[in-house]
Amino acid sequence: DQQVKQNSPSLSVQEGRISILNCDYTNSMFDYFLWYKKYPAEGPTFLISISSIKDKNEDGRFTVFLNKSAKHLSLHIVPSQPGDSAVYFCAARDLNTGNQFYFGTGTSLTVIP
Amino acid sequence: DSGVTQTPKHLITATGQRVTLRCSPRSGDLSVYWYQQSLDQGLQFLIQYYNGEERAKGNILERFSAQQFPDLHSELNLSSLELGDSALYFCASSARRGLDTDTQYFGPGTRLTVL
Repeated sequence: DQQVKQNSPSLSVQEGRISILNCDYTNSMFDYFLWYKKYPAEGPTFLISISSIKDKNEDGRFTVFLNKSAKHLSLHIVPSQPGDSAVYFCAARDLNTGNQFYFGTGTSLTVIP
Repeated sequence: DSGVTQTPKHLITATGQRVTLRCSPRSGDLSVYWYQQSLDQGLQFLIQYYNGEERAKGNILERFSAQQFPDLHSELNLSSLELGDSALYFCASSARRGLDTDTQYFGPGTRLTVL
């Protein structure tokens, strides 16, 4: 049972525009959410995180929004750059299961120059 | 470079065989996590070790086992291999036990192909 879902396998955006990547989850006990970026032949790299007590966290061009009532998480990248082209995974933690993180299936972002 | 190393990078073996994947965490990190990524799947959490002890267990098959050694490196053992075990296996490490907001740093992965 996939508790974290990324329903868009791919997304294409023009350079300079906003990229919005979405993630939905089903477990209301998740208390911490993260986004990872993955280039081919490399492991995922931590990008940004948000605690369930917040609804927004910003780090430079990256902002994560959390809507707990909708069980929805989104990552905004503004402005998008060609180097942002990668696969983005969202992940969530349920402390009730120890430190187990649940990952989505990823969204492949292509930023077109 | 995350500081997490995994060996080997690629492994090709036959069904029924046994393999060992190795992971060295970042210097000073006490926790090691193992994940499996099959084709078109997200990362599936397998198991976590903290300072040599098993801390959390996910969807790890009985044919799979792991351990963390006193020098904190970890090994994932996969036995009686099946075609469906072909996947990317990632190791990640983090500093603390996980009660706080740990960041996990991932290695480059080991690609296992079972023929």
